[in-house]
Amino acid sequence: GDSVTQMEGPVTLSEEAFLTINCTYTATGYPSLFWYVQYPGEGLQLLLKATKADDKGSNKGFEATYRKETTSFHLEKGSVQVSDSAVYFCALSRASKAAGNKLTFGGGTRVLVKP
Amino acid sequence: NAGVTQTPKFRVLKTGQSMTLLCAQDMNHEYMYWYRQDPGMGLRLIHYSVGEGTTAKGEVPDGYNVSRLKKQNFLLGLESAAPSQTSVYFCASSLVGLAGAGELFFGEGSRLTVL
Repeated sequence: GDSVTQMEGPVTLSEEAFLTINCTYTATGYPSLFWYVQYPGEGLQLLLKATKADDKGSNKGFEATYRKETTSFHLEKGSVQVSDSAVYFCALSRASKAAGNKLTFGGGTRVLVKP
Repeated sequence: NAGVTQTPKFRVLKTGQSMTLLCAQDMNHEYMYWYRQDPGMGLRLIHYSVGEGTTAKGEVPDGYNVSRLKKQNFLLGLESAAPSQTSVYFCASSLVGLAGAGELFFGEGSRLTVL
């Protein structure tokens, strides 16, 4: 079945450092890929997405490119802020009317940005 | 803007007790989901619904039941709670098909402890 693997945390960074969180997936066909973010005490919210190979998703300074040849969707941000401290989840989806928009999640990576 | 609302937010149960988690969404979404979140394991799908009156099993359905009697509500029941069901539970909803592909809207979570 489908699966998502992402690097374990926690990742501790200083403000303005470069952030990379690796994500790889196993799936047949052409799933859509997502990054969700969970701030302390809150539910998950969509950060960015890519629906086909070579698409780049971007939002709030974060970027990720759908690489089918390496089955990867790594998340990057050039200069992190304290407010980026959160747990980040990589996920994939196969939307279908019968099965809904179910997401398969990776284990999550906790990021802590220190001033 | 309520979005997805879960009640209760916290609950402590004794082994063998029963309880129901309520999820309500005001976005007129067709699809609804219940996930559980455990450390290092990301979110795992318990049950989901693609419309009023329909439910289906997800990845980890054992020990849980659900009902979707009204479009806006999705109930998760534990008939006989076990310590292994100690977790944070998230409800989510989404639009139908490709229009909502992968974008789930999450509640803030319900933390359940089973002693």
